[in-house]
Amino acid sequence: TVVTQEASLSVSPGGTVTLTCGLSSGSVSDSNYPSWHQQIPGQAPRMLIYSRNIRSSGVPDRFSGSILGNKAALTITGAQADDESDYYCLLYVGGGIWVFGGGTKLTVL
Amino acid sequence: QVQLVESGGGVVQPGGSLRLSCAASGFRFRNYNMHWVRQAPGKGLEWVAFIRYDGNDEYYADSVKGRFTVSRDNSKSTMFLQMNSLRTEDTAVYHCAKDSGRDLYTLDYWGQGALVTVS
Repeated sequence: TVVTQEASLSVSPGGTVTLTCGLSSGSVSDSNYPSWHQQIPGQAPRMLIYSRNIRSSGVPDRFSGSILGNKAALTITGAQADDESDYYCLLYVGGGIWVFGGGTKLTVL
Repeated sequence: QVQLVESGGGVVQPGGSLRLSCAASGFRFRNYNMHWVRQAPGKGLEWVAFIRYDGNDEYYADSVKGRFTVSRDNSKSTMFLQMNSLRTEDTAVYHCAKDSGRDLYTLDYWGQGALVTVS
């Protein structure tokens, strides 16, 4: 099972960007419990969104999760400079197995 | 607050073994499933292994199945990863992570990681 993400995206400060997360075997659904994790290089990852669209404690409301078509999506509305980071989606694919996407490097410029 | 601290990383030759530990605090360790995740240099995150809260169930990524074994000691709030038959492609920072519980199927807290170099 392969989980696909855009390798890189860019957004202007104050702009909106959507990162997506697809599944090679079909559509992403709530039964995959999609979650999103932010990682600043050299640091431990931090969970942002779980169960598709629930923000973790302390996560700004400019981050939102959804399912768009057949993919999970993370949307940043009103991007800020410190949103520049790597973002990973995580899917539960059943049978006690989880799979990360390859990660999206987001540039804010 | 939740803290996860990995230890036991180092340099090992191909074919060798290493045992990582993850010391947990700030939550009731015995009640939570736990995971190991790794990140090769310059690469993305890779889920490696899962262990149930009571230690009675384990799951592994295909890339490590049969070579790695996850275990835990709830009396010491510690999880372990025994890594055997190590390969150069196992070189990575290994993070332990707490499962969110509540049937949410995600990882809500992460350790800083321990570097394993197979060379």
